[in-house]
Amino acid sequence: SQQGEEDPQALSIQEGENATMNCSYKTSINNLQWYRQNSGRGLVHLILIRSNEREKHSGRLRVTLDTSKKSSSLLITASRAADTASYFCATGRFGETSGSRLTFGEGTQLTVNP
Amino acid sequence: GAVVSQHPSWVICKSGTSVKIECRSLDFQATTMFWYRQFPKQSLMLMATSNEGSKATYEQGVEKDKFLINHASLTLSTLTVTSAHPEDSSFYICSAPKYRGNEQFFGPGTRLTVL
Repeated sequence: SQQGEEDPQALSIQEGENATMNCSYKTSINNLQWYRQNSGRGLVHLILIRSNEREKHSGRLRVTLDTSKKSSSLLITASRAADTASYFCATGRFGETSGSRLTFGEGTQLTVNP
Repeated sequence: GAVVSQHPSWVICKSGTSVKIECRSLDFQATTMFWYRQFPKQSLMLMATSNEGSKATYEQGVEKDKFLINHASLTLSTLTVTSAHPEDSSFYICSAPKYRGNEQFFGPGTRLTVL
């Protein structure tokens, strides 16, 4: 079964609006991470939230984690055209220390229109 | 942050040839590195875990004899795609954790096209 499913698959918004992406997973986790990927490039780490945390902020990013529902959300506030990218959630498995193997979600393609 | 580089950034080869991709951690040592494959408009799929000084660990369904991994030093892992075929064309990305328990740092990826 697929670990880390995200919705929506694609999201198109206007500059200045907020963008919310959701991620669901199936197994117990140590942590959940969000990454960003510009087209044809490597991934950039955005934020990590541990399984005992419920919410975390970093600049314009806000991540929530609900372990009872096995879901997480990434909110980007006051979006900019430069935020256009694919966003992936990734889970580190429970019982494995990290630098552990990550399982990636399907990703959300975010387009921010100027 | 930490820097991970990959070389080459892109490669085109003929079917049947072998291609080597390097992954280097530039400013930190990595006893573990990870290799992913990403097809167009899809997510990253973990192929294998590269372990310095020992054999790589492959994910289910990944042929270890086709995708040879060598973690020769604390800053270098190589992935060799042997006898490449068009279906091996993909974006190959490596990553390395700088610290245990924290995020991983990704290389910029290598675009492989097999003709």
